[in-house]
Amino acid sequence: NAGVMQNPRHLVRRRGQEARLRCSPMKGHSHVYWYRQLPEEGLKFMVYLQKENIIDESGMPKERFSAEFPKEGPSILRIQQVVRGDSAAYFCASSPPGRGPYGYTFGSGTRLTVV
Amino acid sequence: AQSVTQPDIHITVSEGASLELRCNYSYGATPYLFWYVQSPGQGLQLLLKYFSGDTLVQGIKGFEAEFKRSQSSFNLRKPSVHWSDAAEYFCAVGVGNQGGKLIFGQGTELSVKP
Repeated sequence: NAGVMQNPRHLVRRRGQEARLRCSPMKGHSHVYWYRQLPEEGLKFMVYLQKENIIDESGMPKERFSAEFPKEGPSILRIQQVVRGDSAAYFCASSPPGRGPYGYTFGSGTRLTVV
Repeated sequence: AQSVTQPDIHITVSEGASLELRCNYSYGATPYLFWYVQSPGQGLQLLLKYFSGDTLVQGIKGFEAEFKRSQSSFNLRKPSVHWSDAAEYFCAVGVGNQGGKLIFGQGTELSVKP
């Protein structure tokens, strides 16, 4: 079991470009959660997805950010027209059904740098 | 509103000394409580978690935490710190709406001096 896989580990984008971050959950985990860690801060919840469904997106910025978790393939966090303030570490966690945070496994994160 | 407070931004202890990292939470229901550790540039590793049962929870790497409902606290302790324990420590509370998410504290950075 390879754990939660996030790629890329590091991503550099110029202002105005798009960033796509991928998260492959652990085998048997059908729930995915995205968190953002700004420099010198704790992690902040962004979005919770199940296959083909967004369950809770209360932490997502209203513009430029979107997330999906298709029936096949990894979950994708997409940031359009990136700005310097988007520079952060983005972590994904997966969990089996019904376990919520008690069943979380975190990935190693994607560090996004906007130049 | 749910929140987690870690009052100490940075703590320095000598190797071999005891350690206590403070965590206070605000949550109306019975909380799920967690402690994670993060080394520089790395992901989060779960140290321990609590939902019910014995209020003293044992975790990995010799860490333990005690849940005190009356004080809304979940402090992390270790009797003897090793240099490899230097890292950032995060306390978190799980909130249960719609399957749950974590609310994290700001973190406490631990430095260990020889």
